[in-house]
Amino acid sequence: QVQLVESGGGVVQPGRSLRLSCAASGFTFSSYAMHWVRQVPGKGLEWVSVISFDGRDKYFADSVKGRFTISRDTSKNTLYLQMNSLTAEDTAVYYCARDPGIAVTGIADYWGQGTLVTVSS
Amino acid sequence: EIVMTQSPATLSVSPGERATLSCRASQSVRSNLAWYQQKPGQAPRLLIYGTSTRATGIPARFSGSGSGTEFTLTISSLQSEDFAVYYCQQYNHWPPLTFGGGTKVEIK
Repeated sequence: QVQLVESGGGVVQPGRSLRLSCAASGFTFSSYAMHWVRQVPGKGLEWVSVISFDGRDKYFADSVKGRFTISRDTSKNTLYLQMNSLTAEDTAVYYCARDPGIAVTGIADYWGQGTLVTVSS
Repeated sequence: EIVMTQSPATLSVSPGERATLSCRASQSVRSNLAWYQQKPGQAPRLLIYGTSTRATGIPARFSGSGSGTEFTLTISSLQSEDFAVYYCQQYNHWPPLTFGGGTKVEIK
């Protein structure tokens, strides 16, 4: 069965960096686009970024553009989100999610359980 | 950016009753609309995509309809496990992909 397991969250000071990982299993990772979506506790969902199946195409929300990068390692079946210049507004649970298409469809059909990032001094 | 607006914010329904949730897009998203369910402490789960196609394993009591800018999620007979927050999401014009603010379905 499809499994997505995020890790790397924690408490980080404003201005610092953090890298999130998402380990994928139960499907052919290299054949699917992947998303990051975040959620401030108690609030709604905010899409963050998507990467195509081959890593060539990447898109970001304006709120993170220029600060976050997305990448994937097919040999490790792992998705990454590198987050730089973090601010309090980045505090959220970060979910990775699979896109059901090779080309990005924009749908998220399987989600991980999320990892909490808290930006605080 | 397409703004998605859901109503009502909270819907109080008795078990066995029908629930109707609305979602409006600030401009046409054609049929490129998905619905997700999220229970407390859990990740969202895809319910419906393409406005009306149920995702794998989703019961038939969940149905979606609409097109353009007006969409509806209907739960025909609410079960105890259906009390949750529901989000709509458009994927017609992106980036960014955008979600509605959610509708909480609570027990009446």
